[in-house]
Amino acid sequence: AQSVTQPDIHITVSEGASLELRCNYSYGATPYLFWYVQSPGQGLQLLLKYFSGDTLVQGIKGFEAEFKRSQSSFNLRKPSVHWSDAAEYFCAVGTSNDYKLSFGAGTTVTVRA
Amino acid sequence: DGGITQSPKYLFRKEGQNVTLSCEQNLNHDAMYWYRQDPGQGLRLIYYSQIVNDFQKGDIAEGYSVSREKKESFPLTVTSAQKNPTAFYLCASTYTGNTIYFGEGSWLTVV
Repeated sequence: AQSVTQPDIHITVSEGASLELRCNYSYGATPYLFWYVQSPGQGLQLLLKYFSGDTLVQGIKGFEAEFKRSQSSFNLRKPSVHWSDAAEYFCAVGTSNDYKLSFGAGTTVTVRA
Repeated sequence: DGGITQSPKYLFRKEGQNVTLSCEQNLNHDAMYWYRQDPGQGLRLIYYSQIVNDFQKGDIAEGYSVSREKKESFPLTVTSAQKNPTAFYLCASTYTGNTIYFGEGSWLTVV
């Protein structure tokens, strides 16, 4: 079965600074990888996804992520954060065999002025 | 507008009661899901359904039940057997395998 680890529970970053959120997955074959963002009390919004092809994936809101098979990682980055990026971020992994996703525990991002 | 609608947004349950959370989608998605979210634990899969009249248990199905009589509807019942039901519940659906879209969630509190 697949699993996801997000090592950082909470990250604080200054507005305008860069952001990187870590995600490591465990799965024997090529996974489908996702990053979602959640504002307090809301549902999850898809930021970006990786199925195959170019390992650097561009998403919405200026986010990008890079799939590194050798490191089993799919880290999320943003060059310059805005106060509106304060939220909880979830990495998820799926497979080609079924429609289920496994989620990491999430990373809460706080943006300070 | 197209989307996934969950209702109610807030629900209170007394001890021993069953309650049902509604999830409706008009996206023509085949698969639908219920996840439970607790602080610090991410999302855990309760049940999922890939086609009408069929559903599968997820990782934490005990104390929950579902039905899938229509493609657009996937209600979740939290039964009295669920000992710790206070949580945020998220419904989701998908059409093109593995991009799952979420509703806005429902808060359930035991009083």
